[in-house]
Amino acid sequence: GAGVSQSPRYKVAKRGQDVALRCDPISGHVSLFWYQQALGQGPEFLTYFQNEAQLDKSGLPSDRFFAERPEGSVSTLKIQRTQQEDSAVYLCASSRGTGAYEQYFGPGTRLTVT
Amino acid sequence: AQKVTQAQTEISVVEKEDVTLDCVYETRDTTYYLFWYKQPPSGELVFLIRRNSFDEQNEISGRYSWNFQKSTSSFNFTITASQVVDSAVYFCALSELIQGAQKLVFGQGTRLTINP
Repeated sequence: GAGVSQSPRYKVAKRGQDVALRCDPISGHVSLFWYQQALGQGPEFLTYFQNEAQLDKSGLPSDRFFAERPEGSVSTLKIQRTQQEDSAVYLCASSRGTGAYEQYFGPGTRLTVT
Repeated sequence: AQKVTQAQTEISVVEKEDVTLDCVYETRDTTYYLFWYKQPPSGELVFLIRRNSFDEQNEISGRYSWNFQKSTSSFNFTITASQVVDSAVYFCALSELIQGAQKLVFGQGTRLTINP
């Protein structure tokens, strides 16, 4: 596609439910990043994939968060047993290389945990 | 650790005024990259510029210009003759090398409102 797409755009989950957020990066982009953006804040890094390899997951806030990119294209961020503090916008970004290339962001998924 | 500070939380100006958004960063790296992104109400972050630490030349793109000063660790962004469509949240970001890539460390953003 022309840009990064994410689905769903909005997700409401009851506390304790599991959620899965999908990211379709720009075709051919090697690098894929997930960021979390709390209300009124800048995005914060969660995890990074180079093709199918998850090379950095230092930003994942707890072991309830899990991400995968099994075929090196689409990625899924899964949150188990959601908590209220997980409410945020989850942004996916992709870039064409592994250096400091510009990252292209999707529209995000706004997760609200009630 | 890398850090980006955008001290201006909100700025409001009247259309056609010039406005400057400040960005100050901290890094121990000798090679790094700085970025500006725009986040309109739709929520999608839009890339505006990337600047590497070795290039201190100012850059101009239409009504946008960027002033990079290594001596003061600043990378400020000026919009000339602002327009209502410039209203958005603007983020400054600094690259941080991780395994095989450069993640972005963002400031808290400056909400810019251009009034007609």
